[in-house]
Amino acid sequence: GESVGLHLPTLSVQEGDNSIINCAYSNSASDYFIWYKQESGKGPQFIIDIRSNMDKRQGQRVTVLLNKTVKHLSLQIAATQPGDSAVYFCAENIRGSQGNLIFGKGTKLSVKP
Amino acid sequence: NAGVTQTPKFRILKIGQSMTLQCTQDMNHNYMYWYRQDPGMGLKLIYYSVGAGITDKGEVPNGYNVSRSTTEDFPLRLELAAPSQTSVYFCASSYSVKLEKLFFGSGTQLSVL
Repeated sequence: GESVGLHLPTLSVQEGDNSIINCAYSNSASDYFIWYKQESGKGPQFIIDIRSNMDKRQGQRVTVLLNKTVKHLSLQIAATQPGDSAVYFCAENIRGSQGNLIFGKGTKLSVKP
Repeated sequence: NAGVTQTPKFRILKIGQSMTLQCTQDMNHNYMYWYRQDPGMGLKLIYYSVGAGITDKGEVPNGYNVSRSTTEDFPLRLELAAPSQTSVYFCASSYSVKLEKLFFGSGTQLSVL
């Protein structure tokens, strides 16, 4: 099975609320994680990344949390907007592997106005 | 600066036909990748290249071939199309294999009937 998985395939939130998208990984050798956003008909876009020597990283309206103890990754989106509606993927890079990001299945985020 | 450009955007093939998916990038990235994305799934790596003249297999290389004669171009070849190759194909490039901040093209939707 896939090393990276998501707890919820779909998430529906009200505009203005905070969103939390979760991701589990199973390979303890993974040392780098990325969140991507994919809008319909487009390629994935980089949102934020985090290395395994960090627990938290913040961007503009987004925060990624990494819990290495339970191999869990989350993406928090503050004040969710309609433009945030998309499929969100987490991806992991296993230390020493070249070019092979392992992607999760994705969570579809729908923002209700 | 166009980024990563893929052609065609859509294609329908008959079983056994061949075709080449084109990918070019103008960011002078050394690293280029081909992924496929099946419905409701994450991306899987087909082939990648760390520079002109160098290519290597990813997770799902069977049925595909690649070449990298220039830094800019990384075409993906399907020699004998099969229904299992029906998918959306994404080309990506990055400036570093370690940072793995991939820039994706907009994808090629391929149907093999």
